Amino acid sequence: LAKTTQPISMDSYEGQEVNITCSHNNIATNDYITWYQQFPSQGPRFIIQGYKTKVTNEVASLFIPADRKSSTLSLPRVSLSDTAVYYCLVGDRGEVRFGAGTRLTVKP
Amino acid sequence: SQTIHQWPATLVQPVGSPLSLECTVEGTSNPNLYWYRQAAGRGLQLLFYSVGIGQISSEVPQNLSASRPQDRQFILSSKKLLLSDSGFYLCAWSRLGAGNEQYFGPGTRLTVT
Repeated sequence: LAKTTQPISMDSYEGQEVNITCSHNNIATNDYITWYQQFPSQGPRFIIQGYKTKVTNEVASLFIPADRKSSTLSLPRVSLSDTAVYYCLVGDRGEVRFGAGTRLTVKP
Repeated sequence: SQTIHQWPATLVQPVGSPLSLECTVEGTSNPNLYWYRQAAGRGLQLLFYSVGIGQISSEVPQNLSASRPQDRQFILSSKKLLLSDSGFYLCAWSRLGAGNEQYFGPGTRLTVT
C-alpha cells in the first residue's frame, strides 16, 4: 500500500481558502485518493475521493496532477467549525491505512 | 438511507477480562466491514476487515479477534484484555466498488484498568 505524507499541522483564518497537500509517490494504478475529516471523539467523515484531474463536491475540491504522485484538498472559505484533523489515504477496495493526518486550526 | 450502529458507547474493563463490541449496519447489503482502533492523539489503526460472512482479514497480530456471523453484523472480541487495548474503537462500512469511501460508526471508548 502506498504511503502518504502530509503536513502535521496548519493554521488558517475564517473566510480563507485552505489547501492541504498530500504526497503519495508510490501510488498504484488502481488506487483512489480519498480524504477524511475527523473531529475529537468522533469517527472520520468522508469528504471527497478522486482518481485523476479534479473532483468537486459541495464541501471541497480535490486536485490531482497527471502523475498522481500528490493531491491537494481545497476547502473554500473555512469557518471555525472546520477545525479538525484531515487524513489523506490512497488505496483501493477499502484496504487503506490512515496516517497521522493534518491538524487544521481555523482562527477567528 | 444507511445507518451504522456501535455499542456500547463507553466501556471500562479490568485487565484480563473479556471483550465484545458489536457493530451493525442498516440499509445496505453485502457491505465491506472494518474495525479500527485509535489511541489517544494518534491516527487510526486498521485491525480487521471483512468482505463477506465468515471472511475476516487481520491486519495486526494481537489478542483481538473479529467475527461476522451475519451479513451486516461485525463483532470484535478478546478473551483477555491488556492495558494496551485501551482506545477508541471504530467500525466502518463501505460498498463494493466504492474505492475507499467508508462510513464510520460513533465509536466505543474502551478503558482497560
